[in-house]
Amino acid sequence: QSALTQPPSASGSPGQSVTISCTGTSSDVGGYNSVSWYQQHPGKAPKLMIFEVTKRPSGVPDRFSGSKSGNTASLTVSGLQAEDEADYYCSSFAYSNNLVFGTGTKVTVL
Amino acid sequence: EVQLLESGGGSVQPGGSLRLSCAGSGFTFSNYDMSWVRQIPGKGLEWVSGISTSGGGTYYADSVKGRFTISRDNSKHTLYLQMNSLRAEDTALYFCASGQWYLPDWGQGTLVTVSS
Repeated sequence: QSALTQPPSASGSPGQSVTISCTGTSSDVGGYNSVSWYQQHPGKAPKLMIFEVTKRPSGVPDRFSGSKSGNTASLTVSGLQAEDEADYYCSSFAYSNNLVFGTGTKVTVL
Repeated sequence: EVQLLESGGGSVQPGGSLRLSCAGSGFTFSNYDMSWVRQIPGKGLEWVSGISTSGGGTYYADSVKGRFTISRDNSKHTLYLQMNSLRAEDTALYFCASGQWYLPDWGQGTLVTVSS
């Protein structure tokens, strides 16, 4: 199972929005509504930000939103804040009961 | 508060074995699927394995299939990963996490180094 494709980096100024893409295939992203997004700060464990494409766990700000079209899912962070600077990973359920992660995107707040 | 505490990591020679443990607290362990995810320091996340609530369903990444075995003891609130025939490319920080297809809670990880 190949990793999902994410851009290596993305950036925005405080208050702006940034959108990260996550491209897979019909055997993972496109085939199931099971895309999740994780935020990871340096030296820390990943934190679930979005699950099942659009749902936010309790405590995650509504500045974080998810969507999907075809084989590509997206995470949008609106109203960027300094603490949003982190690595972001998507993941998806994949055919044959696998979980596949994306390559990761480093978000920089300018 | 949900807590997941991994242990059992360390240094091992190629071909060797290790057993990782993950003790869960602050939630009803037996009600949750569980997973192992690894990360080479400075690199991305890689799913390793998942297990259903009862342990009757187990799933593995192709990279570890046949070498790693996931299991759980619900009476001890503990998840395990038996790793055999270890290779240099298995060197990573191993996280346990609650859930299977999305992972709400994570431990801090235990480092496994495979080197001669």
